[in-house]
Amino acid sequence: DAGVTQSPTHLIKTRGQHVTLRCSPISGHKSVSWYQQVLGQGPQFIFQYYEKEERGRGNFPDRFSARQFPNYSSELNVNALLLGDSALYLCASSFVGAGASYNEQFFGPGTRLTVL
Amino acid sequence: AQSVAQPEDQVNVAEGNPLTVKCTYSVSGNPYLFWYVQYPNRGLQFLLKYITGDNLVKGSYGFEAEFNKSQTSFHLKKPSALVSDSALYFCAVRSWNSGNTPLVFGKGTRLSVIA
Repeated sequence: DAGVTQSPTHLIKTRGQHVTLRCSPISGHKSVSWYQQVLGQGPQFIFQYYEKEERGRGNFPDRFSARQFPNYSSELNVNALLLGDSALYLCASSFVGAGASYNEQFFGPGTRLTVL
Repeated sequence: AQSVAQPEDQVNVAEGNPLTVKCTYSVSGNPYLFWYVQYPNRGLQFLLKYITGDNLVKGSYGFEAEFNKSQTSFHLKKPSALVSDSALYFCAVRSWNSGNTPLVFGKGTRLSVIA
């Protein structure tokens, strides 16, 4: 079975631009979470979606938004990019989202975003 | 609020020796605890988790972790390190008292196994 896939793998943008990152979860997984990993730090939670509804949001500005589609794939959008948005963006899927915190999350390879 | 501390930025160990990567946590209520490993230019790979039951949890690639409630620790261990174990290791926690709490990660510990 295919794991979590993300596209693109690398992306270079300039300040003020917007970006859309995409994620396809493992087949059968209905929960998708997004994380930002800045160099030298652990992943920071951005969003969780379950059954196409937002179920959690981390401490990120409104420039960050996301959605989940009927096929459970997801997009993360970031507007008005700042230099500090440069990071590895990780998508993770799990079998069940809300109410089943013991399920481990399976991570994709990430999208490396560089903002110049 | 949930938090994870990994007190060592780097751990060096000789191949064949036992290794320990330390993790302590803070969470309201009972914890779910996880260890992930990250190889260069790769996403995080799940190693093991503690939910309930035996304090010693066995995971992938010969790794194990010991849950200690009194010390709020969940140290990762392996009896005999391999050079291929060299990677970045992350401990993570979430509270099972609230189903929607996010997974909180430590800052990571870089393990270097020397041949």
